[in-house]
Amino acid sequence: NAGVTQTPKFRVLKTGQSMTLLCAQDMNHEYMYWYRQDPGMGLRLIHYSVGEGTTAKGEVPDGYNVSRLKKQNFLLGLESAAPSQTSVYFCASGQVNTGELFFGEGSRLTVL
Amino acid sequence: KQEVTQIPAALSVPEGENLVLNCSFTDSAIYNLQWFRQDPGKGLTSLLLIQSSQREQTSGRLNASLDKSSGRSTLYIAASQPGDSATYLCAAGAPQTGANNLFFGTGTRLTVIP
Repeated sequence: NAGVTQTPKFRVLKTGQSMTLLCAQDMNHEYMYWYRQDPGMGLRLIHYSVGEGTTAKGEVPDGYNVSRLKKQNFLLGLESAAPSQTSVYFCASGQVNTGELFFGEGSRLTVL
Repeated sequence: KQEVTQIPAALSVPEGENLVLNCSFTDSAIYNLQWFRQDPGKGLTSLLLIQSSQREQTSGRLNASLDKSSGRSTLYIAASQPGDSATYLCAAGAPQTGANNLFFGTGTRLTVIP
């Protein structure tokens, strides 16, 4: 029972490089989210999606893009990585009826 | 913007003790409140979910309460065990965007001493 799976789990980038984080869920949830977690700041919402083909900005969207081409996948892209984007990124999916969220194991990104 | 605060930031207790973790939020118009556990270097595990119309939820040794009028939630852990050592996060759900976006506190790091 996989739940929410994130790849890759670790990545080191140089400033200016690009990359994509992949999130996959097998629970048939409509809602999906990308959060970042930084020391002393708690988790903050980057982007979210309420269904296939839809995306919306969260609290800290600058420097990131997302796509939800398939219901089960939610991609987070960094076009030109900056050291300020060094963080742990968490993907979550959520049920429409209860609003309960389920999280992946996280992806640790370091930008040098 | 919803602000969620958790106090204390860290707590150490001897094994077997009952304890309470506190969470406060500034906007009472929440959709739900969710408590999570996070182990070092790991993801978030959902512990309890309280809908806005509910007052409390229980799961095993855990009991979470919600008081929207005062903007507070508590997580009660009975008969604590070393395996309960982790960071506990509370998050308030905001429905106004059409999805249940969660606003998180910074967590309480719990250590249960054998």
